[in-house]
Amino acid sequence: DSGVTQTPKHLITATGQRVTLRCSPRSGDLSVYWYQQSLDQGLQFLIQYYNGEERAKGNILERFSAQQFPDLHSELNLSSLELGDSALYFCASSAPAGSGANVLTFGAGSRLTVL
Amino acid sequence: GDSVTQMEGPVTLSEEAFLTINCTYTATGYPSLFWYVQYPGEGLQLLLKATKADDKGSNKGFEATYRKETTSFHLEKGSVQVSDSAVYFCALSPFSSNTGKLIFGQGTTLQVKP
Repeated sequence: DSGVTQTPKHLITATGQRVTLRCSPRSGDLSVYWYQQSLDQGLQFLIQYYNGEERAKGNILERFSAQQFPDLHSELNLSSLELGDSALYFCASSAPAGSGANVLTFGAGSRLTVL
Repeated sequence: GDSVTQMEGPVTLSEEAFLTINCTYTATGYPSLFWYVQYPGEGLQLLLKATKADDKGSNKGFEATYRKETTSFHLEKGSVQVSDSAVYFCALSPFSSNTGKLIFGQGTTLQVKP
């Protein structure tokens, strides 16, 4: 157990629907990162939050949004889902700056299937 | 922009064979370099890292040396086991980044046969 918890583990939904993926970071970590892993695109960085604020943005579609709450858990919202959104979505967390900040600890992932 | 290139897989080896997985990077300055491993059905786990040129990261018999002159961070293991079968990802953290985000290579699948 890495200490990063992601729910749900599996999710099957239809095109056009909206889903929410949830992530609880490792105790003490302030940063949360979201990555998408698909066969054709590999691991793509989506977005990072640090202590509730957006810190960095990657290849995140406008249909996707995320936030980090005061208790530091994060949610990734995916809307108007398309077949191509089917992928593994990973959450990772890292320690506060200056203490191994660029070592990411990953959760087990949420597998999204869009039919 | 910064990027990581790994050798394509799958790599298939017999148990106790020598392993090399090539990784090269493009980046400005001095990024930190990482190898992560993903076992079937699991998330990525940090295998080893190096933060400056000529550093050698090592863990569980795996080693990689940060070579600035060749912009490489090849992963090696002297004797692989069936339990090493997994997907291996090379990654970098940009030098100038004030975030911790990592840029990953495409991953290399390793299959070790008994």
